[in-house]
Amino acid sequence: GAVVSQHPSRVICKSGTSVKIECRSLDFQATTMFWYRQFPKQSLMLMATSNEGSKATYEQGVEKDKFLINHASLTLSTLTVTSAHPEDSSFYICSARVGGQGGNTEAFFGQGTRLTVV
Amino acid sequence: AQSVTQLDSQVPVFEEAPVELRCNYSSSVSVYLFWYVQYPNQGLQLLLKYLSGSTLVKGINGFEAEFNKSQTSFHLRKPSVHISDTAEYFCAVSESGGSYIPTFGRGTSLIVHP
Repeated sequence: GAVVSQHPSRVICKSGTSVKIECRSLDFQATTMFWYRQFPKQSLMLMATSNEGSKATYEQGVEKDKFLINHASLTLSTLTVTSAHPEDSSFYICSARVGGQGGNTEAFFGQGTRLTVV
Repeated sequence: AQSVTQLDSQVPVFEEAPVELRCNYSSSVSVYLFWYVQYPNQGLQLLLKYLSGSTLVKGINGFEAEFNKSQTSFHLRKPSVHISDTAEYFCAVSESGGSYIPTFGRGTSLIVHP
């Protein structure tokens, strides 16, 4: 299957600083990438859909000014958590989709990033 | 809009025993169904998927699932589990013909005891 690489896998930052998480599709072009947040022992919560060359579509309740998403190329999307606070500590996962729209298009997931804000 | 219910939050089982993880969905249109596995501090890995055709789907690591349209279920099974199967399992659904944004269940923690 296609490979999605997420970096870093783990990051600790001080409260008030910003953190950037990268999501790369290594062997395919991803027109659409998704960013999820996962709380302990819970399911994945979709934060936003990132489309190459256009603004991301954020889910209701997700602060777009706090979680900046950039999808500058067909192989890279970044999530920047700005002015991070301890409540932003979580596991963030990206996924990338091969091809265009259609439910039969499989999404491939990155390894996830464990963010801890102290 | 679609939704997914994973009835069991935790399933403990002994090694080499069979296991079934339950998943029910609701949707007003035809769906595609997926099972993913997540090991601690890792992303999700696709186990298997149902798009169309045979309702019995075989996946990796000896898992299989059966799509039952009348019962709106997609239960995951394995005839003999290993310690290494201990992980979190997520059922997901997306509506066919729509944009691919899967809805995930809350997950089932499979705990295999020696």
